[in-house]
Amino acid sequence: KQEVTQIPAALSVPEGENLVLNCSFTDSAIYNLQWFRQDPGKGLTSLLLIQSSQREQTSGRLNASLDKSSGRSTLYIAASQPGDSATYLCAAGRGDDYKLSFGAGTTVTVRA
Amino acid sequence: DVKVTQSSRYLVKRTGEKVFLECVQDMDHENMFWYRQDPGLGLRLIYFSYDVKMKEKGDIPEGYSVSREKKERFSLILESASTNQTSMYLCASSLDNEQFFGPGTRLTVL
Repeated sequence: KQEVTQIPAALSVPEGENLVLNCSFTDSAIYNLQWFRQDPGKGLTSLLLIQSSQREQTSGRLNASLDKSSGRSTLYIAASQPGDSATYLCAAGRGDDYKLSFGAGTTVTVRA
Repeated sequence: DVKVTQSSRYLVKRTGEKVFLECVQDMDHENMFWYRQDPGLGLRLIYFSYDVKMKEKGDIPEGYSVSREKKERFSLILESASTNQTSMYLCASSLDNEQFFGPGTRLTVL
C-alpha cells in the first residue's frame, strides 16, 4: 500500500523567502504526483501535476520536482507572499484504479 | 476550467436522518470520488465511481452509500446519520488520474 508522508506538518517563513515543501512516498511505481493547495474550510485546488515520465513541472512561482528512485517530490514556491499561506498536500496516483494516496499536508504561514 | 460543485457548503442534520450530498461536474469526466476529511486523519476515500451506475468501495464505506445515475452527478447518501459522521465531505472528479475537487460540504450531525 502506498504511504505518502509530508514533513514538516507546519512551516512559518517571512515574506519573500523561498518555500521548500517535501513529499515522500514508499512505492516508486507511481503513475503521477499531484500537488494541491487547501485554504481553511475550503476544497482542494490543483496546483501541479507531474507525470511519472517527467522530472519537473512549473507554473509561475511554483516548481515541482519528482524523483521516483528516491521516492520524493518537492514543491518550491519562489518569493513567498502572505497570500501563499495555506495547507499544501501532495498525492501519488497509481494509475490502474484512478485513486490517489494523500499526504497529511504541510501548513504554511507566510509572515508579512 | 473544470468545475465541480457541491449542493451545500454547510449542512446541519439530526441523528438518524437520511442525508443526501450532491456533486456535479461539468467536464464529462468518467471518474468521481467522495472523501471525508477530519483533523489528524487526512483525506479518506469513502466511495468512487468510474462510470455511470458503477461504484466501488473506498477505505471507509461503512454507513454510506452512493448513486450515479448520470455521468455528471455523484451522490453520497448517509442512510441514518450519526454524530461520528460530522466531517468535511469533499467530492472530486478526474481525467486520467488528475483530480479536481469541489468546495466541500461541512456536515454537522447533532
